[in-house]
Amino acid sequence: DADVTQTPRNRITKTGKRIMLECSQTKGHDRMYWYRQDPGLGLRLIYYSFDVKDINKGEISDGYSVSRQAQAKFSLSLESAIPNQTALYFCATRPTGPNTEAFFGQGTRLTVV
Amino acid sequence: AQSVTQLDSQVPVFEEAPVELRCNYSSSVSVYLFWYVQYPNQGLQLLLKYLSGSTLVKGINGFEAEFNKSQTSFHLRKPSVHISDTAEYFCAVSDRGGSTLGRLYFGRGTQLTVWP
Repeated sequence: DADVTQTPRNRITKTGKRIMLECSQTKGHDRMYWYRQDPGLGLRLIYYSFDVKDINKGEISDGYSVSRQAQAKFSLSLESAIPNQTALYFCATRPTGPNTEAFFGQGTRLTVV
Repeated sequence: AQSVTQLDSQVPVFEEAPVELRCNYSSSVSVYLFWYVQYPNQGLQLLLKYLSGSTLVKGINGFEAEFNKSQTSFHLRKPSVHISDTAEYFCAVSDRGGSTLGRLYFGRGTQLTVWP
């Protein structure tokens, strides 16, 4: 089993619908992140969490919300999906410390029509 | 906030040729530096990282990178590439302290394509 698991892997949804992307990890890390990848723009940070009670906005949090249900679970929600949220979404975990490696899930490809 | 610039969005090379992927960062504080690789339809995985000490860092798959503090650069190199090195490569930076501690900033990526 993968250390960082994202579900679903692919999703097509309609404009205005609410959608949740889920991430779970078996690494035991406190820190979890949600990134969005768009061609030519690299990875941009949406939200991050350093523990269950610590949630922080990233560069592009508008239109998104998150929930840290447990140390191992971090969900990303689009309250009302719009077409420009079509992208590849990655969840990542990282041990405490700025010099540590981040571990990524396989990604969720979201298409909003 | 950090800024990471990858100077080339696409780098095409022939198999067995050398390659350099360039990365510059802007920072007024000390940082940790990383290179990640993304193979098609996969997540990112760590290639190498610079924490301290020797400015030449060796990573997996024959890649290495050199940290240059005066030029705020961390260029990735490989003396002889293989077709299997075709992937997207991301440079990333992490602050050593301050209010952004724990955040990882990524460049826009460089698509390396190796031709036979």
